[in-house]
Amino acid sequence: GAGVSQSPRYKVAKRGQDVALRCDPISGHVSLFWYQQALGQGPEFLTYFQNEAQLDKSGLPSDRFFAERPEGSVSTLKIQRTQQEDSAVYLCASSSSAGGTYEQYFGPGTRLTVT
Amino acid sequence: SQQGEEDPQALSIQEGENATMNCSYKTSINNLQWYRQNSGRGLVHLILIRSNEREKHSGRLRVTLDTSKKSSSLLITASRAADTASYFCATAPISGGYQKVTFGTGTKLQVIP
Repeated sequence: GAGVSQSPRYKVAKRGQDVALRCDPISGHVSLFWYQQALGQGPEFLTYFQNEAQLDKSGLPSDRFFAERPEGSVSTLKIQRTQQEDSAVYLCASSSSAGGTYEQYFGPGTRLTVT
Repeated sequence: SQQGEEDPQALSIQEGENATMNCSYKTSINNLQWYRQNSGRGLVHLILIRSNEREKHSGRLRVTLDTSKKSSSLLITASRAADTASYFCATAPISGGYQKVTFGTGTKLQVIP
């Protein structure tokens, strides 16, 4: 069956540009997570949705980061006025359970490079 | 911030040997999960062990959990070149309702054919 998909897979943005990253979770999955992964590090939590409700956004690094999941399925992570430190791989994951109790299924990630 | 720390940071072994990597964490947990990440397939869930379990097996994988020491180990037996990847532990804390999963820093495993 279809897994989690993300688009685009690669994005190069000039500093100051806005970017939008898309995540299509597994159909019917209640929970959706966004992570940021720097080179050589583990994924760092950004935000969590349960259906359309954003229950935790404590990991968003600044108010330039915004995420939404308006209909409880597809999610978009938007970064405004990108900075070089935003360069990373952005991972989306979904889970059939509420919260992180069960395994998460990850997408391939979007590699963002800010020049 | 990373909750878990994997040890060693990097490990290189010959094909057929066993690989052991460890994870230590700080807060009480509901469960601990191990994930594998390689460039070809992204992050893949390997195994989940609950706080009331001490050992779990899945194929060539064996996971142990010691909640008194706040540590877990992942053993891969009879390693193969395809096991070359980074391995991460991830913990889900004890709390009501939503539980945020936090990943460790990872162990980079290289299996030499």
